[in-house]
Amino acid sequence: AQTVTQSQPEMSVQEAETVTLSCTYDTSENNYYLFWYKQPPSRQMILVIRQEAYKQQNATENRFSVNFQKAAKSFSLKISDSQLGDTAMYFCAFILYYGGSQGNLIFGKGTKLSVKP
Amino acid sequence: NAGVMQNPRHLVRRRGQEARLRCSPVKGHSHVYWYRQLPEEGLKFMVYLQKENIIDESGMPKERFSAEFPKEGPSILRIQQVVRGDSAAYFCASSPARYNSPLHFGNGTRLTVT
Repeated sequence: AQTVTQSQPEMSVQEAETVTLSCTYDTSENNYYLFWYKQPPSRQMILVIRQEAYKQQNATENRFSVNFQKAAKSFSLKISDSQLGDTAMYFCAFILYYGGSQGNLIFGKGTKLSVKP
Repeated sequence: NAGVMQNPRHLVRRRGQEARLRCSPVKGHSHVYWYRQLPEEGLKFMVYLQKENIIDESGMPKERFSAEFPKEGPSILRIQQVVRGDSAAYFCASSPARYNSPLHFGNGTRLTVT
């Protein structure tokens, strides 16, 4: 079975500092994508960053970057220069690709991040 | 460009009533997914539909839940005879294709069963 584990239910960081959110996953497959989604209090699910499993280079999107360790099945999210608007739930997720199709997004339970002024 | 539109945003039902949740995908998207989010949990897959077809309903409870995505109109998630345990946020997502297509999520419908 495919699973995603986020071991930090809650985290806090001071504005302008850097924070890292952890995620590990379990799958026996080789072809998949990994994602981080942000869910602010508005409840909207916002895609923050995605990583193809076959790419060794870590994905970056402005202040957001990932540390993808395929052998360890680890996919952490680093937020640099944290801003108050980064306060949200963050969900790690992955999706399998096989036979020209794709599976369904599998989510972790989330990490609640609070950015303090 | 309108994103995925879900309505209503909030829905309150008494036990035993029916709940209908609507989802209009991004224009041009023919793939729709429904997810459920229980309090303090991540989203859990329920069902995947293409126009007029249910492709994967492996996450859907066997009873009381049904989904459709007609040729015209929004996708509907229907919950009959709701119980308190059905209280959750229900999210719809759409994509233009099944492969290598990021999902666009709506803002969800929060269902409260009293």
